[in-house]
Amino acid sequence: LAKTTQPISMDSYEGQEVNITCSHNNIATNDYITWYQQFPSQGPRFIIQGYKTKVKNEVASLFIPADRKSSTLSLPRVSLSDTAVYYCLVGDMSSGGYQKVTFGTGTKLQVIP
Amino acid sequence: GAVVSQHPSWVICKSGTSVKIECRSLDFQATTMFWYRQFPKQSLMLMATSNEGSKATYEQGVEKDKFLINHASLTLSTLTVTSAHPEDSSFYICSARAHLAANEQYFGPGTRLTVT
Repeated sequence: LAKTTQPISMDSYEGQEVNITCSHNNIATNDYITWYQQFPSQGPRFIIQGYKTKVKNEVASLFIPADRKSSTLSLPRVSLSDTAVYYCLVGDMSSGGYQKVTFGTGTKLQVIP
Repeated sequence: GAVVSQHPSWVICKSGTSVKIECRSLDFQATTMFWYRQFPKQSLMLMATSNEGSKATYEQGVEKDKFLINHASLTLSTLTVTSAHPEDSSFYICSARAHLAANEQYFGPGTRLTVT
C-alpha cells in the first residue's frame, strides 16, 4: 500500500483558493487517488477521486502529474464551512474485493474570516 | 448517492459490559465493509475488514475476541465490543464498498463510545 504524506495543517482566508498537496512516491499501477473531508465527530465524506491528469467536480479539482507520485486537491474560494481535516488516500479497491485503504495523518485546514 | 448508517450514534456503557454497533448500507449492497477507530485529534485506524458470509480480517494488534465482527447480510455488519474498558472509548466508523469493481468507500456517520 502506498504511503501518503501531507502537510499537518494549513490556514487560509475566506474566498481564497486552497491547494493541498499529497505525496505518494510508492503508488502502484492500479492505485487510485481519493480525497476525503472529515468534520469533527463525523465520518469522512468523499470529495474527489482520480487516476491521472485532472479531475474536476462541483466542489473541487484534483491535479495528478504524469508520474502520479503526488496529487493536489484544489478547493476554489473556501468558506468557513470548509474548515475540516482533508485526507489523501491511495489504493486499489478494484481487485478481489479485499483491498484495504489506509488513512494518513490528514491536513487540518483552518479557514480564517 | 450511496448512504451508510450507523446505530447508535453515541453510547455510554459501564466497564465490563458489551456494546454492539450496527453498520447498514441503505441503498446498495455492500460486499465489503470496513471498521475504523479514531481517537481524538488522530487519524482513522483500520481495525478490520468485513466480508459478507466470511470471517473478518483483523489488522495487526486488534484483538478479534474483543472486537467481534459479523457481516451476516449484504447490507449489515455489526461490531461488538466485548468486556469494554475505558481505553476502548473512541469514535468507531464503518465504511462500505458498493461492489467489487468500485474504487470508492462510503462512510457512516460514526458511533461515539464512552466506557465509564
